[in-house]
Amino acid sequence: DQQVKQNSPSLSVQEGRISILNCDYTNSMFDYFLWYKKYPAEGPTFLISISSIKDKNEDGRFTVFLNKSAKHLSLHIVPSQPGDSAVYFCAAVYGGSQGNLIFGKGTKLSVKP
Amino acid sequence: EPEVTQTPSHQVTQMGQEVILRCVPISNHLYFYWYRQILGQKVEFLVSFYNNEISEKSEIFDDQFSVERPDGSNFTLKIRSTKLEDSAMYFCASREAGTGGVQETQYFGPGTRLLVL
Repeated sequence: DQQVKQNSPSLSVQEGRISILNCDYTNSMFDYFLWYKKYPAEGPTFLISISSIKDKNEDGRFTVFLNKSAKHLSLHIVPSQPGDSAVYFCAAVYGGSQGNLIFGKGTKLSVKP
Repeated sequence: EPEVTQTPSHQVTQMGQEVILRCVPISNHLYFYWYRQILGQKVEFLVSFYNNEISEKSEIFDDQFSVERPDGSNFTLKIRSTKLEDSAMYFCASREAGTGGVQETQYFGPGTRLLVL
């Protein structure tokens, strides 16, 4: 049972344009959400996070938006760069847990020069 | 910049053998985790460890698995009798203690690729 869903397995974007990666979740007990980036043969690298009490968090080129009523979050990358090409994972944390991450299946982003 | 390290990077073993995967978390972190990723699938939580004991574990983490913090720096995952389906990438992660209810970010190691033949 997929509690965190990334329905697009891949996304291709032109350099300089915006990349929008989407994530849906089913469990309203999640209270913290994170995005990780992963290159082949490496561990996930933290990008940006958002608490459920917020609807937006921004860090440089990366912005995460949270719509709690729709149980949906998205990661915006502007402008996209070829070095952003990687697999992006959405992850969620239950309130009151020890921080165990529940991951989506990932979206492979390709940014073309 | 401090980072989580894992050894070995690759391990090949025969079915039924014991393996120990090693991790050195970031030094001031207090929470430790193991995750795995079977090829082509999502990253799955195995176990969390805090204050020298398991705090949570998933249904994957059965009696064949155990974790230990044998000294002040290492954190190990032992698989007692490996099965073919244990072949996966195993990631260790660590984080600081959260303050005021704020979740602290987990930092991941590069992983150990385990292949069970």
